[in-house]
Amino acid sequence: DQQVKQNSPSLSVQEGRISILNCDYTNSMFDYFLWYKKYPAEGPTFLISISSIKDKNEDGRFTVFLNKSAKHLSLHIVPSQPGDSAVYFCAASESYGGATNKLIFGTGTLLAVQP
Amino acid sequence: DSGVTQTPKHLITATGQRVTLRCSPRSGDLSVYWYQQSLDQGLQFLIHYYNGEERAKGNILERFSAQQFPDLHSELNLSSLELGDSALYFCASRGGGFGELFFGEGSRLTVL
Repeated sequence: DQQVKQNSPSLSVQEGRISILNCDYTNSMFDYFLWYKKYPAEGPTFLISISSIKDKNEDGRFTVFLNKSAKHLSLHIVPSQPGDSAVYFCAASESYGGATNKLIFGTGTLLAVQP
Repeated sequence: DSGVTQTPKHLITATGQRVTLRCSPRSGDLSVYWYQQSLDQGLQFLIHYYNGEERAKGNILERFSAQQFPDLHSELNLSSLELGDSALYFCASRGGGFGELFFGEGSRLTVL
């Protein structure tokens, strides 16, 4: 049962344009969401997060939008740069999930930014 | 550099063998999480330890076990290895009880 889904395995955009990566979740108990970026041969690195009490969070070129009613979140990268080319993972957590607060990850979207 | 150290980076072994993967969390982090990433799969949660105690188990096979030692480093033991166990195994740590996880670079296991 895939609780966090990234339905687009890959995305290609031109440098300078907007990249939009999407993520859906099924567990209504999730209330904290994160995006990670992963380069080959490296571990995932944290990018940006959002709590369910918000519907938008910005950090420089990165903005995450959360639509709780649709159980959907998206990551916008503007403007996209070639160095943004990586696999992006969406993750979710229950902040009051007992003693663990583990992150549940999607399968990732490979973003390719073309110069 | 996340501050999380995993060894070995690469490991090639045969079916039926046993291996141990090691993780040193960021200084002071009490929580250690193990994840498995197989080909074309996301990161699958295996197990979580907090200050030496097991807190949660995910999709971890009975052939796999883990522990966290008093110095907070953790080991993931994989036994009776099968071809399907070939994957990247990531360790992550967290200081508090909430928020982002910091990942190591992973251990790539190849079972031949």
